[in-house]
Amino acid sequence: SQQGEEDPQALSIQEGENATMNCSYKTSINNLQWYRQNSGRGLVHLILIRSNEREKHSGRLRVTLDTSKKSSSLLITASRAADTASYFCATGQTQGGSEKLVFGKGTKLTVNP
Amino acid sequence: DVKVTQSSRYLVKRTGEKVFLECVQDMDHENMFWYRQDPGLGLRLIYFSYDVKMKEKGDIPEGYSVSREKKERFSLILESASTNQTSMYLCASTHRGRDYEQYFGPGTRLTVT
Repeated sequence: SQQGEEDPQALSIQEGENATMNCSYKTSINNLQWYRQNSGRGLVHLILIRSNEREKHSGRLRVTLDTSKKSSSLLITASRAADTASYFCATGQTQGGSEKLVFGKGTKLTVNP
Repeated sequence: DVKVTQSSRYLVKRTGEKVFLECVQDMDHENMFWYRQDPGLGLRLIYFSYDVKMKEKGDIPEGYSVSREKKERFSLILESASTNQTSMYLCASTHRGRDYEQYFGPGTRLTVT
């Protein structure tokens, strides 16, 4: 199966700035999810957007989904040093009557104090 | 608080050894997953299970097998460990169906020498 691709691979910004990460994929999907990973740890779910939704908000996070372009973006507003982490998009796809996630390679975000 | 636990944070094994990685979840989830994570490659799905004694191959099942004898426990088995299986292994669980987030364990960093 095709992995999603995040863009950029790495992003460095100053505290207070906004961070935008993009994700493209190639197959039809049930949903698209974003996860965060602090260095060397497990992943934490941030937000899920269904295939029939176009935009979703959660706190300082805003996610958009364009199924015609097979792309999504994650916007983190007013970034903080604590937002420093790797961010992964994952597409929910049906296999064997169940749903699996196909992850991208991630964007490494550094927020400088 | 929901929890996915993995038996070891760090593991060092020799080439040719049989290796067991254990994952336990306390959320009564039907679906469980094993991923490996390598720098620059993101997370790749090895196997998943949507019920006791059921399993589905992921994208990279070669060299691995799995066991799910109880709902809360999902084991990844490396029949004969090789150096190219040195990686971070992540376990996750979720509800059956679609549009659910996955909950991840902290990961096991396996080194095969």
